[in-house]
Amino acid sequence: DQQVKQNSPSLSVQEGRISILNCDYTNSMFDYFLWYKKYPAEGPTFLISISSIKDKNEDGRFTVFLNKSAKHLSLHIVPSQPGDSAVYFCAASGDNQGGKLIFGQGTELSVKP
Amino acid sequence: KAGVTQTPRYLIKTRGQQVTLSCSPISGHRSVSWYQQTPGQGLQFLFEYFSETQRNKGNFPGRFSGRQFSNSRSEMNVSTLELGDSALYLCASSLIGNSYEQYFGPGTRLTVT
Repeated sequence: DQQVKQNSPSLSVQEGRISILNCDYTNSMFDYFLWYKKYPAEGPTFLISISSIKDKNEDGRFTVFLNKSAKHLSLHIVPSQPGDSAVYFCAASGDNQGGKLIFGQGTELSVKP
Repeated sequence: KAGVTQTPRYLIKTRGQQVTLSCSPISGHRSVSWYQQTPGQGLQFLFEYFSETQRNKGNFPGRFSGRQFSNSRSEMNVSTLELGDSALYLCASSLIGNSYEQYFGPGTRLTVT
């Protein structure tokens, strides 16, 4: 049972344009969501998070939007840069998860110069 | 502040052997979680430790075990290795509080032959 889903395995964007990565979840008990960026042979790097009491959180070029009624979140990267090329994972957690993050399968973003 | 460190970075073992992986969390972080990443299953939660106690365990066989020491350093052990245990093993640490952010180490790449 895949509780967190990233339905797009890959995304290609031109440098300077907006990248939008999507994530859906099924468990309504999740109340905290995170995005991580991962390069090959490295551990995931924390990017940005959002609590379920908010619908938007912004940090520099990165903005995460949460739509609780649709159980959907998205990560916007504006403007996209070639260095943003990596695999992006969304993850979910909550008080009932006991320190466990549940990850989506990842979306590979390629930003072309 | 130094990040999460994991040793060794790479390991090759034979079926039937056992292996111990080590993780040192970020200074001041008291929670340590372990994850397994494989191409087919993605990032899967193994277990989480806080104050030397396992608080949560993922859906893995009993061959996978772990422990945490009083200085928050953690080890995980896999006994009777199988070919399917070949994976990237990631350790993550976090502060305990109202934040769910986990910070990952670079991982240990285990190959079982």
